[in-house]
Amino acid sequence: EDQVTQSPEALRLQEGESSSLNCSYTVSGLRGLFWYRQDPGKGPEFLFTLYSAGEEKEKERLKATLTKKESFLHITAPKPEDSATYLCAVGRGGGSQGNLIFGKGTKLSVKP
Amino acid sequence: GAGVSQSPSNKVTEKGKDVELRCDPISGHTALYWYRQSLGQGLEFLIYFQGNSAPDKSGLPSDRFSAERTGGSVSTLTIQRTQQEDSAVYLCASSLLGEWSPSGHFGNIQYFGAGTRLSVL
Repeated sequence: EDQVTQSPEALRLQEGESSSLNCSYTVSGLRGLFWYRQDPGKGPEFLFTLYSAGEEKEKERLKATLTKKESFLHITAPKPEDSATYLCAVGRGGGSQGNLIFGKGTKLSVKP
Repeated sequence: GAGVSQSPSNKVTEKGKDVELRCDPISGHTALYWYRQSLGQGLEFLIYFQGNSAPDKSGLPSDRFSAERTGGSVSTLTIQRTQQEDSAVYLCASSLLGEWSPSGHFGNIQYFGAGTRLSVL
């Protein structure tokens, strides 16, 4: 069964304290791994998509990496405005090309 | 440009009533998706439209749920005889399914609306 598991469920950091969020997945025919950011009361906002093991993407203080079994979202020197829930999702091949399978997210809180 | 628009932003209804939720996708996007997000749960796929193809309804939880997409654009999600367990945030997304990235990979970047928060009393 296709599955996405994110850990930890919640993460509290001090401003400037770097850390990583994990997304483990099992899927048949991976067609992209997606990271989204979701603020309270808003829809998910697209951050990155990764397609192949070894691929990396960066945006400001965020860096996403991908292996054959998991992805990491590294946050370097976070600021309070990075506080949000980070969602990981996978796209699938074959007959299920439409919907993404989402993890439950990691709620990140960055304290000043 | 304009993003995905959903209305209403909030809907409170009584158990047993029918509700309609609306989604306006990004202009030109061929694919449209509905998801449900319950407290403490991940996004749950409901239904997916792609062009003129028959929709993928495999995620609809019961026959009380249905959706239409008119003219390849606006979509309406209808929940009949609402139950308390239907309370959730309903999210709509659209994408250019089949868009190829510069590196040659198949893409499916979905862009989400702000959602409709449904409360069934």
